[in-house]
Formats: sequence, C-alpha cells, structure tokens
Amino acid sequence: TQLLEQSPQFLSIQEGENLTVYCNSSSVFSSLQWYRQEPGEGPVLLVTVVTGGEVKKLKRLTFQFGDARKDSSLHITAAQPGDTGLYLCAGGGSSYKLIFGSGTRLLVRP
Amino acid sequence: DVKVTQSSRYLVKRTGEKVFLECVQDMDHENMFWYRQDPGLGLRLIYFSYDVKMKEKGDIPEGYSVSREKKERFSLILESASTNQTSMYLCASSLWGGGRGRSEAFFGQGTRLTVV
Repeated sequence: TQLLEQSPQFLSIQEGENLTVYCNSSSVFSSLQWYRQEPGEGPVLLVTVVTGGEVKKLKRLTFQFGDARKDSSLHITAAQPGDTGLYLCAGGGSSYKLIFGSGTRLLVRP
Repeated sequence: DVKVTQSSRYLVKRTGEKVFLECVQDMDHENMFWYRQDPGLGLRLIYFSYDVKMKEKGDIPEGYSVSREKKERFSLILESASTNQTSMYLCASSLWGGGRGRSEAFFGQGTRLTVV
C-alpha cells in the first residue's frame, strides 16, 4: 500500500518567517502534486512535479521533488497571513487514483 | 479554467433518508472521484469512475453508491443516511492517470452534509 506522510501536522508561525513542509514515502511516484485548501473550500492545485530533482517556484513558494521521486518539500519564504490553510501533497502512479498525504495545517499570524 | 461544480454547499438530512450529491465538470475529464474529509482522517476515497458507466470502489465505499451516466456528471448516493456520514464531501476530476501521464485532480467547492 502506498502511503504519503506529511510533516509537520501543524505549524503556527509569525508573518515574515520561513517554513518547510515535507512529504515522504517509501514508494516511487510518477508525479507529485501540492494543493492548498482553505476552510470550507475544496483543495486547489498549486503545482505538479514529475522529474526527480525537479524544483519549481511559484512566487514565494518553492517545491522540490526528491531525486528518487519518493519525497517532496514545500518551502515558503516570508510567509503571509494569506498563506494560511491546509497543505496537501498527493502522489500519482500507475493507478487512476491519487494518494493523498494527511496534510499540514499552517497558520500565519499577523 | 477547469470547473468542478457540486450541487450544494450545505445539506441537512434526516437519518434514513436517501441523499443525492451531484457533481458536474466542464473539461471533458475522463476520471471523476468522490472523497470525504473528516478532521484527523484526511481525504478518504469513496468511489471513482474512469469512464462513463464505469465505477470502482475506493477505500470506504460502504453505505454509498455512485452513478455516472454521462461523462461530465458523477453522482454520489447515500442509500440510507446515518449520523456517521456527517462530513465534508469533495468531488474531483482528472484528465489522465492510470500511468498515462500527469494526474492532477481538480476539486469542487465541497458539500458539508449534516445528518441528524
């Protein structure tokens, strides 16, 4: 069974601080996505990474896919209150289904 | 932009009622999914469909059924609602998957169902 473990589960930081969220597995994925979900809404896709070692930047967010395609990280620089939300990673493979991590709940305090 | 629309944002139903949750996507995606999301349990897959009239059980199908008569529409049915089915229900669609490429999911806004 493929599993994705995210850490930390909860993160409360001050505006302007940097943070990193991790997504780890013992399985190889052909692609990995990151989503952000705000309270009462559905998850919204932020990025997809498909190549081992790939790094993608989305403004203050930097996403990295591990060389072996088993793990990923999300780094936020100078966090803002608008970054508050639930961050989910999801891995795609040979199945039609995505495997979702349990999520990291981020609170950025003004 | 891909749009996935769920028919209701909030629903309150009585125990034993038959409940229909509807989902429509406008991007000709092959795959559609129903998840429920509960605090501390993450996203759990109920059912998914990779083609019209095709369906497969996910991780927690008990008490639910689905229908996909048209490519753009995927319905979740609670045969006899129970209080333990109170949850946030999320519909999603994706273009590819099954090893054929990127499998990004696009989600609807969610339906918060309360069974009393």
